[in-house]
Amino acid sequence: KAGVTQTPRYLIKTRGQQVTLSCSPISGHRSVSWYQQTPGQGLQFLFEYFSETQRNKGNFPGRFSGRQFSNSRSEMNVSTLELGDSALYLCASSLTISTDTQYFGPGTRLTVL
Amino acid sequence: LAKTTQPISMDSYEGQEVNITCSHNNIATNDYITWYQQFPSQGPRFIIQGYKTKVTNEVASLFIPADRKSSTLSLPRVSLSDTAVYYCLVLGAGNKLTFGGGTRVLVKP
Repeated sequence: KAGVTQTPRYLIKTRGQQVTLSCSPISGHRSVSWYQQTPGQGLQFLFEYFSETQRNKGNFPGRFSGRQFSNSRSEMNVSTLELGDSALYLCASSLTISTDTQYFGPGTRLTVL
Repeated sequence: LAKTTQPISMDSYEGQEVNITCSHNNIATNDYITWYQQFPSQGPRFIIQGYKTKVTNEVASLFIPADRKSSTLSLPRVSLSDTAVYYCLVLGAGNKLTFGGGTRVLVKP
């Protein structure tokens, strides 16, 4: 079974632009969560989607948003990029909301210049 | 949400056993304890998960005392390829994972 895939793997943007990242969960998984990882802040939870509905949201500004499609694929969008948004963005999927184990994708490395 | 605390780094040698202890004082009754391994520029990889007592799989063991306020990940006979950052985390209500700072394990030849 294929793992979690994320596209693109690397991205370079400039301040003020917006970006959309994509995540395809493991087949059959219905929950997708997004995380931001930086050297200074570590792994921080962004949001979680299940059945196209956002179930949880971390402490990030409204510039960070996401959505989930009927096939469980998910996208996250960051508008008006700031230098501090440079990070590794990780997507994780799990079978259902009651399942504890999350499986992570390789991440998208976003660099904001 | 439960907060996890783990050592920042640990050094070991090939063939030794590595034990990483994590404290999670305010773990809730229904919380599971999970450990992940992460290599540079990769996503975390699931290692092991437990609720109480001891869990063992093909790569690690997890020891959880009765009060569940801490847990210890045990990596038997580590090799150079086990050099990575290991995260202890507690899964609380809402399936929201909150990661601790991670323990950087360096395995030396």
